[in-house]
Amino acid sequence: GEEVAQTPKHLVRGEGQKAKLYCAPIKGHSYVFWYQQVLKNEFKFLISFQNENVFDETGMPKERFSAKCLPNSPCSLEIQATKLEDSAVYFCASTVTGSNTEAFFGQGTRLTVV
Amino acid sequence: TQLLEQSPQFLSIQEGENLTVYCNSSSVFSSLQWYRQEPGEGPVLLVTVVTGGEVKKLKRLTFQFGDARKDSSLHITAAQPGDTGLYLCAGVTFNKFYFGSGTKLNVKP
Repeated sequence: GEEVAQTPKHLVRGEGQKAKLYCAPIKGHSYVFWYQQVLKNEFKFLISFQNENVFDETGMPKERFSAKCLPNSPCSLEIQATKLEDSAVYFCASTVTGSNTEAFFGQGTRLTVV
Repeated sequence: TQLLEQSPQFLSIQEGENLTVYCNSSSVFSSLQWYRQEPGEGPVLLVTVVTGGEVKKLKRLTFQFGDARKDSSLHITAAQPGDTGLYLCAGVTFNKFYFGSGTKLNVKP
């Protein structure tokens, strides 16, 4: 597709429940990035992929967060046992190559943990 | 702590005024980008600056990359209500985007 598609737009989960977010990058883009935007507008880097391979996962809270980008499927970000502090908007972005190119962002998934 | 600090955090001005937003870091980046984000949307790229000292103009917006490639500024001339939004700078290096803390601009008619 011509735009990064994120689903769902909104997600509400009770504390301790699982949350799964999806991202379909623009066709032909090799890199996918996941960011968490909290109330103070800060964009926190979570993880990036080069095609199906994890490129950089230094931002991932590994105990509960996991992500995948499998061939012919949307990328996914899964949070096991959600906590209140996981409430945020999660953005996915894709780029043609990794550096010095435009990052195209999806509209985000607003996760609310209650 | 943020790798890139933006100032001011908030700016509320009248239509027609000029403003400058700053993006500062102690790190060197291979390029620096400016994005604008509107409520309920993802950020959209405005410009990429690559060379130290580079100045780029986009209509009423002027972007400058510092000589040492550590900082940048965004100047808007004669701001309009349509300029309202969250402005984010992003330092790019080693296939990673480091986002600034953001500047929330409100232009009142």
